Amino acid sequence: TQLLEQSPQFLSIQEGENLTVYCNSSSVFSSLQWYRQEPGEGPVLLVTVVTGGEVKKLKRLTFQFGDARKDSSLHITAAQPGDTGLYLCAVPFSWAGSYQLTFGKGTKLSVIP
Amino acid sequence: NAGVTQTPKFQVLKTGQSMTLQCAQDMNHEYMSWYRQDPGMGLRLIHYSVGAGITDQGEVPNGYNVSRSTTEDFPLRLLSAAPSQTSVYFCASSYSQAVRAKNIQYFGAGTRLSVL
Repeated sequence: TQLLEQSPQFLSIQEGENLTVYCNSSSVFSSLQWYRQEPGEGPVLLVTVVTGGEVKKLKRLTFQFGDARKDSSLHITAAQPGDTGLYLCAVPFSWAGSYQLTFGKGTKLSVIP
Repeated sequence: NAGVTQTPKFQVLKTGQSMTLQCAQDMNHEYMSWYRQDPGMGLRLIHYSVGAGITDQGEVPNGYNVSRSTTEDFPLRLLSAAPSQTSVYFCASSYSQAVRAKNIQYFGAGTRLSVL
């Protein structure tokens, strides 16, 4: 059973459009992270959200943590080709007495010039 | 800073061969981990280490060994490669294993492995 469900799985849009991708779970988390992975590279951390209802902005990217800390969204305004990549959400997951990071399967975004 | 460095970037093996994927970080991070990324499966944790001399298994450890003799290095060994181990492997490091706003996990660029 996948702990985190990301949707949509794939998204192809034109430059300048707005978009929202989602990360959902039935579990409550103490924090949630969003990463972007460009083709041929490793994931790069974009943001960590820790408070229910928290909203963080990173230039044209807006991240929101759900009030109940079970879900999160990433909204991109006026998408640009440089936004192309795989967007991953990740949460701490109890593993063998410690907490490890577990990832969703990601949303693959293509922004067409 | 170089960050997290993985070598090689690409590797082709025959079934049954062994090899070591290298990972080094220059940020004096205590926590290091190895993930594999497969299409439709996301990133899955193979092994991790909370400090030199300490390693533990993740979600998919079978067929892999690790060691952590120094803070900087965390090599991943494939003992007898199988086609099911064809994947992209990522090494990551962070100051600690806690998932907090100020604890950033840095990933290497990955090793793309094909086992024939």
